[in-house]
Amino acid sequence: AQRVTQPEKLLSVFKGAPVELKCNYSYSGSPELFWYVQYSRQRLQLLLRHISRESIKGFTADLNKGETSFHLKKPFAQEEDSAMYYCALSPYGGSQGNLIFGKGTKLSVKP
Amino acid sequence: EADIYQTPRYLVIGTGKKITLECSQTMGHDKMYWYQQDPGMELHLIHYSYGVNSTEKGDLSSESTVSRIRTEHFPLTLESARPSHTSQYLCASRKQGAGELFFGEGSRLTVL
Repeated sequence: AQRVTQPEKLLSVFKGAPVELKCNYSYSGSPELFWYVQYSRQRLQLLLRHISRESIKGFTADLNKGETSFHLKKPFAQEEDSAMYYCALSPYGGSQGNLIFGKGTKLSVKP
Repeated sequence: EADIYQTPRYLVIGTGKKITLECSQTMGHDKMYWYQQDPGMELHLIHYSYGVNSTEKGDLSSESTVSRIRTEHFPLTLESARPSHTSQYLCASRKQGAGELFFGEGSRLTVL
């Protein structure tokens, strides 16, 4: 079955510390993976996608097909990074099917 | 400006009332979706549509109904609201063949 797992419901770090939000997926084909972010009182929005291989707001995520993971990382967390983060999988490379979301991880960056 | 709009943003109503949550997008997207989300919690897909006159139920069973008469419009209706329907409802859309979803700002419904 297709599934996205975010094992941490809440992650709390201090400003300047490295942060890693974990995401594991279960899918036999070639999925497209995304990270979405929801800041307080703002709409859910795309942070980054694995095919673009970009660094957005200092965040990076590498697709590891062997470990079926797509962890989100940032070397130095900032207070403005505090938000809900959702990992999502699009089956069939995005051409078919609906996005499958993880349950989300709330990141809290303390001063 | 191309965007996805939801109205109302907030709605407080009594039990038994009929409500319609509006969702419109000006991005020319074929696929549209409704998600239910309690604050800070996971997203549950309740309805989706791949085009005009196409609607399907999502993973989470919902008493709401939807319609897709026009490409840009995807309203959600509750015939008789109950307190258990209290939640935030997010509308989203994406282009055919593309993975990225674009979300509206959400409609927060409270049923007393």
